[in-house]
Amino acid sequence: AQKVTQAQTEISVVEKEDVTLDCVYETRDTTYYLFWYKQPPSGELVFLIRRNSFDEQNEISGRYSWNFQKSTSSFNFTITASQVVDSAVYFCAHLSWSSASKIIFGSGTRLSIRP
Amino acid sequence: GAVVSQHPSWVICKSGTSVKIECRSLDFQATTMFWYRQFPKQSLMLMATSNEGSKATYEQGVEKDKFLINHASLTLSTLTVTSAHPEDSSFYICSAHNRDSSYEQYFGPGTRLTVT
Repeated sequence: AQKVTQAQTEISVVEKEDVTLDCVYETRDTTYYLFWYKQPPSGELVFLIRRNSFDEQNEISGRYSWNFQKSTSSFNFTITASQVVDSAVYFCAHLSWSSASKIIFGSGTRLSIRP
Repeated sequence: GAVVSQHPSWVICKSGTSVKIECRSLDFQATTMFWYRQFPKQSLMLMATSNEGSKATYEQGVEKDKFLINHASLTLSTLTVTSAHPEDSSFYICSAHNRDSSYEQYFGPGTRLTVT
């Protein structure tokens, strides 16, 4: 069965600091997708990134970057020069071909950016 | 981009009554929709998979007679919470799977249910 672990329950940093959110996944599938979502206080999920299991290239989008390492089953997310608006709950998630497209979420990391 | 709507965005109902939540894919067809429940400060837990034209598949521990799901068309799935109790108060989120893609899923904005 698939499982996603986000060991960091809460993180608090001062604005402009860099912060990395960890994500470790478990799967028996060779073909799968990994996601990161942001959930602000409004509750609506905001899609950040999708990665398929065959693409281990790291990705950068502005202040956001993602490090996918199949060898350690990790898909970590780094925010550079954090801002107060980055405060939210962040979820890592997994979808596999064999799971009938079910997306399984990690427990989430609550990120607080202090001014 | 693909849009999924939910209605209502929030609802308050009295204990013992039933409430229906709609999930619509506005600009694509979804053969499969998913329903999640999220309690405060917790993650999204998958409740059931809704397939157009067939019975929903419920996750272990979810009462199918309490959470009725109907997926009558390729753009609409409904979740009815029957005989609601205060412990059913939660944030309910749906997602719709684009039938033309193996992985594209889009989430609705969620419905906050409060049972008094």
